[in-house]
Amino acid sequence: DGGITQSPKYLFRKEGQNVTLSCEQNLNHDAMYWYRQDPGQGLRLIYYSQIVNDFQKGDIAEGYSVSREKKESFPLTVTSAQKNPTAFYLCASSIPAGYSSGANVLTFGAGSRLTVL
Amino acid sequence: QKEVEQDPGPLSVPEGAIVSLNCTYSNSAFQYFMWYRQYSRKGPELLMYTYSSGNKEDGRFTAQVDKSSKYISLFIRDSQPSDSATYLCAMKGTGFQKLVFGTGTRLLVSP
Repeated sequence: DGGITQSPKYLFRKEGQNVTLSCEQNLNHDAMYWYRQDPGQGLRLIYYSQIVNDFQKGDIAEGYSVSREKKESFPLTVTSAQKNPTAFYLCASSIPAGYSSGANVLTFGAGSRLTVL
Repeated sequence: QKEVEQDPGPLSVPEGAIVSLNCTYSNSAFQYFMWYRQYSRKGPELLMYTYSSGNKEDGRFTAQVDKSSKYISLFIRDSQPSDSATYLCAMKGTGFQKLVFGTGTRLLVSP
């Protein structure tokens, strides 16, 4: 079955450490996204990528980095510069607007919960 | 003021009730309106999406968009305990634009 796989499901980080969250999709979608979800704040966009080797900052990119070397993969690194990294992180993908009647419907992974100790 | 406002709830109803979930928005450029359902500790899944104004029905779910009032609704008929989840509204304009999400409404359906 096609879908998005995020790993690990749970991750603990000590202060000062960088951690990388994995996101792999087999939906043949061109666009991929990273969101952060905090209680009472909804989903906030961290980074997105429309094509391989290209990505743009979202609303809260500071302290995060991404790469898009393959169409299927969009890993997110939470760096030590992110001051409040404890959150639920969601990866998503979509067919760009030109192929999906403009709705740009997102398919989400199951999420990764990061806790800073 | 947030672009999209959504009551966080929780909204508690008995099984079989009709549920109304709502969002208001301020950006008149929004054309696509979506509802996602998110179970605890899971990723959101798309329930329905509509383009511009009007109604759309899918089984027990009906989505309504009133662009003149900048107000969207999701109705759930004959609610079931399995409908207990957080419901997120999301919307965007035309072209490759980012989705703007509401904060989500937590729904609890008791047997």
